[in-house]
Amino acid sequence: NAGVTQTPKFQVLKTGQSMTLQCAQDMNHEYMSWYRQDPGMGLRLIHYSVGAGITDQGEVPNGYNVSRSTTEDFPLRLLSAAPSQTSVYFCASRPRTGPDTEAFFGQGTRLTVV
Amino acid sequence: KNEVEQSPQNLTAQEGEFITINCSYSVGISALHWLQQHPGGGIVSLFMLSSGKKKHGRLIATINIQEKHSSLHITASHPRDSAVYICAVRGYGQNFVFGPGTRLSVLP
Repeated sequence: NAGVTQTPKFQVLKTGQSMTLQCAQDMNHEYMSWYRQDPGMGLRLIHYSVGAGITDQGEVPNGYNVSRSTTEDFPLRLLSAAPSQTSVYFCASRPRTGPDTEAFFGQGTRLTVV
Repeated sequence: KNEVEQSPQNLTAQEGEFITINCSYSVGISALHWLQQHPGGGIVSLFMLSSGKKKHGRLIATINIQEKHSSLHITASHPRDSAVYICAVRGYGQNFVFGPGTRLSVLP
């Protein structure tokens, strides 16, 4: 198993550009989520999905879109990048059922918007 | 007041020292996770707790549900333990609430 794979690892965008951060997992986990990590702050939830075809907003969803067409993939789209979106982004997955389920995180994508 | 707080924010220790990182939370939870993040690296789950105590090698995690408090202990610390340690709690929904992290430096 590869676990949770995020691509790319690093990206520089110009303000106004769009891009998609990819996240894939091979553990057949129902629940997937995207977080951003900023200096001095804990990870904050952007969007999450409890299964294919189902997505919902987290704490900081503005400027981001997601879709979940398959169990394996959960891409995060930046429609028009802004400097405030400079951050490190983490994707995570875990089984949906049961409270005592382990969470798995990707290696992160470090995004800079100039 | 943040829902999840950690102390200390930063910690410097000498190799071999016993280290304790604390986590307090203010919400009802179904599970608490301790995560490790090395500089520039990904996030790895160390422990998941819903009660009691767990041990993996030199790491020990405890939780007191009544007091809403958890501790992560590192025995015989080593420079490779230098990382940010993050406490994350999960309520009865699907989502985590994360603490701000504790930055640990272990000096040789």
